[in-house]
Formats: sequence, structure tokens, C-alpha cells
Amino acid sequence: GIQVEQSPPDLILQEGANSTLRCNFSDSVNNLQWFHQNPWGQLINLFYIPSGTKQNGRLSATTVATERYSLLYISSSQTTDSGVYFCAVAGGAAGNKLTFGGGTRVLVKP
Amino acid sequence: DADVTQTPRNRITKTGKRIMLECSQTKGHDRMYWYRQDPGLGLRLIYYSFDVKDINKGEISDGYSVSRQAQAKFSLSLESAIPNQTALYFCATSDPQGQGFNEQFFGPGTRLTVL
Repeated sequence: GIQVEQSPPDLILQEGANSTLRCNFSDSVNNLQWFHQNPWGQLINLFYIPSGTKQNGRLSATTVATERYSLLYISSSQTTDSGVYFCAVAGGAAGNKLTFGGGTRVLVKP
Repeated sequence: DADVTQTPRNRITKTGKRIMLECSQTKGHDRMYWYRQDPGLGLRLIYYSFDVKDINKGEISDGYSVSRQAQAKFSLSLESAIPNQTALYFCATSDPQGQGFNEQFFGPGTRLTVL
């Protein structure tokens, strides 16, 4: 099956800082999603982005499908951005079954 | 109201007990999924269903069973719970005809503890 690796595993930011999270995957995909898991455990959809670039407020994402990676950018970070960010992909014979990466744990300090 | 709901939200049970977790959705999606998340890890797929008559095993289906009672309802059962099934369980839905091909939407999760 598809392998998904996220980096870095942990990130500590000062409020107001910018950061980039990376997701590498091992095969072609037809679905790539970024999620934010808040401290209460809820998974929040951030982006559906199997290719291209999208922006939503202070967050943006870029997927370069031909090179098998995706980047999530957080600008002007806030304490509410703390939590775990997951990349999940699906593709090939696996169809719509999402495979999750191990996540990047982000802590934004005031 | 939330589009994908899960009940119960928290459950503590004992080894050997039968447990059912329920998922309901108002998104009108045909496809539904059950995942589990262990502490510090990503989610793993337990079972998925493309429609009421279609049930498929995921990567970690041993010890679990499911029932798709209607398009909107998908239940996960632990026939005889064991401590290593302690985890956070998520239900998800998707629509292959939607704007995002099979973009999945998740419920709030059920935190299950097996003593």
C-alpha cells in the first residue's frame, strides 16, 4: 500500500511565526487531505488537495503530485493552531481508502 | 446540527463485553468508514461500506464487525472487547460524485476504554 511520511514530527512555534509542514507519499494519488486534530481529538478538514495550490485564510497548501509531496503552510501562527496535523492520501488500487501519515504535532506558544 | 454524529462519545467497558458504536450522517453520502486511532498515531481503517449492501474489511478488521442499517447509519461492534482495543474511533463519510472525489468527512470520535 501507499506509504505516507510527515515531517517534522514535532514543531514548537512562537505566536506569529510561519511554518511549513511536509507530506511525502510513495505512489500516485487521487485524494490527498490535510486535517487538524485539535486538543479535544476532533478532526477538522483543512484541505482537499490532490494537486495544485489552495489557500484558506492563514493556511495554504500545495501538492506536487508528480514529485509525490504536499506542503502545508501556516502563517502568523496563533495558539489555536496548536494540535496535530495529519496528511492522508488515497490512490491506485486502494481507491478511496485513506492512508494517514504519522502527523506533525504543533505547539504554538504565546 | 453536525453532519456526522457518533454515539456514545465516551465509553468505558470491561474485557469480554460486547460494545456497539453508532454513526449517523445527514450528508446523503453513500460511502461510510470506520477508523481507529491509537495514542500518538494516525488513523487506521477498520471497515468501509460503499452502499447498504456492500461491506469491506480494512487493514485492521480482526475483532470487529459492522452493520450498515441504512444509507445514513453504520455501526461498529466489538464482539468481545479486549484492552488493546482501547482507542479513539472515528466514523467518516464520502461521496464519489462530490466536488472533491471521495473527500472524507469525519465525525467527532468515540473514546473507548476497555478495562
